Amino acid sequence: GQNIDQPTEMTATEGAIVQINCTYQTSGFNGLFWYQQHAGEAPTFLSYNVLDGLEEKGRFSSFLSRSKGYSYLLLKELQMKDSASYLCAVMSTGKLIFGQGTTLQVKP
Amino acid sequence: DAGVIQSPRHEVTEMGQEVTLRCKPISGHNSLFWYRQTMMRGLELLIYFNNNVPIDDSGMPEDRFSAKMPNASFSTLKIQPSEPRDSAVYFCASRNRDRGNTIYFGEGSWLTVV
Repeated sequence: GQNIDQPTEMTATEGAIVQINCTYQTSGFNGLFWYQQHAGEAPTFLSYNVLDGLEEKGRFSSFLSRSKGYSYLLLKELQMKDSASYLCAVMSTGKLIFGQGTTLQVKP
Repeated sequence: DAGVIQSPRHEVTEMGQEVTLRCKPISGHNSLFWYRQTMMRGLELLIYFNNNVPIDDSGMPEDRFSAKMPNASFSTLKIQPSEPRDSAVYFCASRNRDRGNTIYFGEGSWLTVV
């Protein structure tokens, strides 16, 4: 079976750094994705990890440890527009399975 | 390049009516996915196709739901008869399996069944 866990809500301050964790258990693994979803909009792709380690893309970084079934998304220099839901998803046997998402609220 | 195109964007229908949602994947993509999103259950995979062939429909809730992909540029998700609990946002997504795993989403179809 598939199980993907991430915190439901997080709050952070503008300009700060926030780390959103994700743990997963899947029967197969072909990569871990992070998507951002603003209220009322479609999910948009942020990052993809298939090998262990850190992938950096501007203010966003994503880390993967396959042996631990663990990933995190790191957001630096937070901006108000980063307030959104962040979805962790695992690709397994051709299917992309999503966690429930973490709603991040950025405060001034 | 055009993204994944879905129609209708919004639909309000009465219980018992048939609902048909439509999707045009990104040109050249060979996998298509239908997802449903609700507050309670999050983003759930309903069915996916590779090269127009349904591969896994284990997420389809019940026989009232059906999906087809008659060609590489068009897919439908049909609900017949619709029920209030079907109210949700339905997303279509696609990817090119030969060029990585990234899946791209359409804007969604917001369905309300009253």
